[in-house]
Amino acid sequence: KQEVTQIPAALSVPEGENLVLNCSFTDSAIYNLQWFRQDPGKGLTSLLLIQSSQREQTSGRLNASLDKSSGRSTLYIAASQPGDSATYLCAVEENTGFQKLVFGTGTRLLVSP
Amino acid sequence: EAQVTQNPRYLITVTGKKLTVTCSQNMNHEYMSWYRQDPGLGLRQIYYSMNVEVTDKGDVPEGYKVSRKEKRNFPLILESPSPNQTSLYFCASGISPAGTKNIQYFGAGTRLSVL
Repeated sequence: KQEVTQIPAALSVPEGENLVLNCSFTDSAIYNLQWFRQDPGKGLTSLLLIQSSQREQTSGRLNASLDKSSGRSTLYIAASQPGDSATYLCAVEENTGFQKLVFGTGTRLLVSP
Repeated sequence: EAQVTQNPRYLITVTGKKLTVTCSQNMNHEYMSWYRQDPGLGLRQIYYSMNVEVTDKGDVPEGYKVSRKEKRNFPLILESPSPNQTSLYFCASGISPAGTKNIQYFGAGTRLSVL
């Protein structure tokens, strides 16, 4: 059974710092890995999707990497801003054809001015 | 604008009183699903639908029903809600069949409290 773990559970940094969020998964049979952002009252927003054949994806100040063989992904946030404060969720889509996402429990990020 | 719309956003009810949470998407997606989110457990899939009239159980289907009569709508039905169904619920949609590039879109969530 696929299990997704995110470390740390919470992170507090001053504005301007670069930071790394970690995600690990137990079964490498995945279609893709997605990083989501969750804001209170606003649902989940997909930030980056890395296909199983890819090593990384970038969007603005965000860079996500995937090492499928070792079951790890990282989300790198450059020059953090207070607006980055949110919970970040990692999810893998199993390659069963049923599109189920298996989520980690998230990292709650607070960026202080 | 691509949207997944859930209603209501907040609901307080009592044990045993049937309720329905609606979900609608405007992206013509075949695939839709429901998740619940609980502290320390993350999001867990309740039910999913690969297309109209095609539904199946996820990991935590007990106490829930769904229907998919139209492509855009996928309501979640709690026939007899119990306090252990107090949770934050999310509806999601995506393109079917599954593929490596399949981004899923989520609604804003429905916070349900069962007293």
